[in-house]
Amino acid sequence: GAVVSQHPSRVICKSGTSVKIECRSLDFQATTMFWYRQFPKKSLMLMATSNEGSKATYEQGVEKDKFLINHASLTLSTLTVTSAHPEDSSFYICSFGTVYNEQFFGPGTRLTVL
Amino acid sequence: KQEVTQIPAALSVPEGENLVLNCSFTDSAIYNLQWFRQDPGKGLTSLLLIQSSQREQTSGRLNASLDKSSGRSTLYIAASQPGDSATYLCAVSGNQFYFGTGTSLTVIP
Repeated sequence: GAVVSQHPSRVICKSGTSVKIECRSLDFQATTMFWYRQFPKKSLMLMATSNEGSKATYEQGVEKDKFLINHASLTLSTLTVTSAHPEDSSFYICSFGTVYNEQFFGPGTRLTVL
Repeated sequence: KQEVTQIPAALSVPEGENLVLNCSFTDSAIYNLQWFRQDPGKGLTSLLLIQSSQREQTSGRLNASLDKSSGRSTLYIAASQPGDSATYLCAVSGNQFYFGTGTSLTVIP
């Protein structure tokens, strides 16, 4: 399967700071990417869908001004958590793919906001 | 809205046993169903993908079936090993992906 990387794998930051998470597809190009967050012992919750070169589509209840998504190229998408607060602490996972085919997931980023 | 349920939520079996994990979904209008494995604190590893036109897929000791009309899928794991211990998630795709809540599997040596 395709290889997807995320950086950083773990980040600890102070409340009020912004954190950028990168998601890269290493061996294929995809026009569509998904960002998920996962709370402990819970399943994945879709945050947003992004298509390369256009604005992301956010799920209901997800603040687009807080979670900035940039899908600058077919192999790179970034999620920026702006003015992070402790309740933003979570496990963030990206994936490449479409609803018609297989999804390939990154290894995830553990965000802890103090 | 699509709802995906996985039963049981947790399962503990002795090594060597065959086991079945269940996934059910409420809307049969799906493109595919995918089974994943997630180790603690890690991302998702794709195990099997079943397209909506398919009935089953096999990979090694894993076999996944899909009955789209009844909204069910099963993941069969043969001859379980301690290394199989993980959380198993199913996801169905429609206009987006919908994940189940997972089954936490523990295989006891």
